[in-house]
Amino acid sequence: DAGITQSPRHKVTETGTPVTLRCHQTENHRYMYWYRQDPGHGLRLIHYSYGVKDTDKGEVSDGYSVSRSKTEDFLLTLESATSSQTSVYFCAISGLAGVPEQYFGPGTRLTVT
Amino acid sequence: GIQVEQSPPDLILQEGANSTLRCNFSDSVNNLQWFHQNPWGQLINLFYIPSGTKQNGRLSATTVATERYSLLYISSSQTTDSGVYFCAVEGGSYKLIFGSGTRLLVRP
Repeated sequence: DAGITQSPRHKVTETGTPVTLRCHQTENHRYMYWYRQDPGHGLRLIHYSYGVKDTDKGEVSDGYSVSRSKTEDFLLTLESATSSQTSVYFCAISGLAGVPEQYFGPGTRLTVT
Repeated sequence: GIQVEQSPPDLILQEGANSTLRCNFSDSVNNLQWFHQNPWGQLINLFYIPSGTKQNGRLSATTVATERYSLLYISSSQTTDSGVYFCAVEGGSYKLIFGSGTRLLVRP
């Protein structure tokens, strides 16, 4: 157990509303990531963080923003949710003691109606 | 960018059988990992294996970095091995690029 949690685990929201997903870790990993998983597309990186206040875009970052004000928390925000953002979102962590292995949270199933 | 291809896309086994899953990548890498996603969606890190061979119980993995491929071996498969197996390689700055996965079904 890598000590990573996500909240909420399930959410249904309406098109146009803002949504924030939270990833929390307890082990001081330097790197944190947000992925989305969709049928036929596998896992795709949305944004990642390499330290407090240090973030960068992944391959599918349009429509998403992130923030990391504390080592343990990485927030993913959908400013104005769209139906194309219906997906399962996974947070991951890595980099403890320089080890690159990634560990995943349990996922958040988001449905935008 | 680096391309990651996994084969076969689907695999059905009888319990007790052995299998080999393959991951090909298009450029040299210093970070390759294998993951298992169980039928409930949980993703588990199986191996960090940029080169060489590692074993963990019935699972083992070999990466031949110079030839740009990695193999995941599952011996004496069990129904709990069912799920999707992903290979992922580093695309810079600890970022991983995932293959499309091999979906494994082990029948009792």
